[in-house]
Amino acid sequence: KNEVEQSPQNLTAQEGEFITINCSYSVGISALHWLQQHPGGGIVSLFMLSSGKKKHGRLIATINIQEKHSSLHITASHPRDSAVYICAVVDSNYQLIWGAGTKLIIKP
Amino acid sequence: DTAVSQTPKYLVTQMGNDKSIKCEQNLGHDTMYWYKQDSKKFLKIMFSYNNKELIINETVPNRFSPKSPDKAHLNLHINSLELGDSAVYFCASSQLAKNIQYFGAGTRLSVL
Repeated sequence: KNEVEQSPQNLTAQEGEFITINCSYSVGISALHWLQQHPGGGIVSLFMLSSGKKKHGRLIATINIQEKHSSLHITASHPRDSAVYICAVVDSNYQLIWGAGTKLIIKP
Repeated sequence: DTAVSQTPKYLVTQMGNDKSIKCEQNLGHDTMYWYKQDSKKFLKIMFSYNNKELIINETVPNRFSPKSPDKAHLNLHINSLELGDSAVYFCASSQLAKNIQYFGAGTRLSVL
């Protein structure tokens, strides 16, 4: 079992739909990142969380430390949101452990 | 325009050689980082650097050294390459206070 599990692996939705991507982890962490990678492009860290909830535009990230679970939500999804979304946790050794990623496609 | 660019993308070299990986960011950020991702997909920070302070992960061998000619560049020099140095190396940058990091696409180093 991987230390960081994401679901779903692939997600296709219509423009405007509410999107949820889940992340569960099994190690103790000091922080959790949600990252976005566009095809052929670099990786951008969208959020860094250690507790609670953060919002940036149409993106919302939540984390439940007791349940070792985080979710990334996208409201009013748009084709430009199509990308790979990666959950990564910072463990007690300052290692950044990556999940396998969720490939999101938003159709117009 | 790529925000954080690394060159080369792939680097294959012999044991004992000295090599460099370049990183440039055009975001105006004040802090840059080097990470090593090993075969288990762990991404471990090697260095973080801004124009005032270099923070080194003490587990990194001193064969690895960062060089910053200016605020937009942080190059990674590796001397006397060893087989265990084979990995993907990621560069990243951030505005320190915001803690959101932008990553390069990675450089896959293979030491033969």
